[in-house]
Amino acid sequence: DIVMTQSPDSLAVSLGERATINCKSSQSVLYSSNNKNHLAWYQQKPGQPPKLLIYWASTRESGVPDRFSGSGSGTDFTLTISSLQAEDVAVYYCQQYYTTPYTFGQGTKLEIK
Amino acid sequence: QVQLQESGPGLVKPSQTLSLTCTVSGGSISSGGYYWTWIRQHPGKGLEWIGYISYSGNTYHNPSLQSRVTISGDTSKNQFSLKLSSVTAADTAVYYCARVQSGGFGDVWGQGTTVTVSS
Repeated sequence: DIVMTQSPDSLAVSLGERATINCKSSQSVLYSSNNKNHLAWYQQKPGQPPKLLIYWASTRESGVPDRFSGSGSGTDFTLTISSLQAEDVAVYYCQQYYTTPYTFGQGTKLEIK
Repeated sequence: QVQLQESGPGLVKPSQTLSLTCTVSGGSISSGGYYWTWIRQHPGKGLEWIGYISYSGNTYHNPSLQSRVTISGDTSKNQFSLKLSSVTAADTAVYYCARVQSGGFGDVWGQGTTVTVSS
């Protein structure tokens, strides 16, 4: 199985500041046939299901604010929130869909400083 | 707008079979390009992919669950189901059903249902 490792496990950022979450896969998730990184990011708030934010590593899901952005390729990826809002407090997960079983990172808890 | 809703018993005894159903509204499970998926989340933990049934009826389950998993679909009711046999306390989790795009990412999720395995 591909192991997804996120860092840090938790993060406290001031309102209006940038938040950066990292995700590393144990093998490349860049598919040569379509030149796409098979990597998604989700946001999960307490008592709610995960919400898709980003897919193909950098494509924002419809309706997701543009302060959320994804970057990276191969094995190293980043989710950036450019200006943290109070409603962004949540746990964030990366997920690879390069090969089954699809796997998730352990999650990064984002809080307000 | 597609919506998913899980249903089933919240308490299952050890060694018995966990059975859950996901009812899909606003879209058909036989629509091309989607994989109707079960994912679980252990208490306070991360997410685990259980398996799926495709729009064409093909199924897949996570090998970590060995042969305990059965996923099926009922197009007449627009539902898909999960059966997990020989459950133990380690199967206590919130179970989510989700619509997964053909690429492999879940864009629509149910609210989740908590299943506790206990005698």
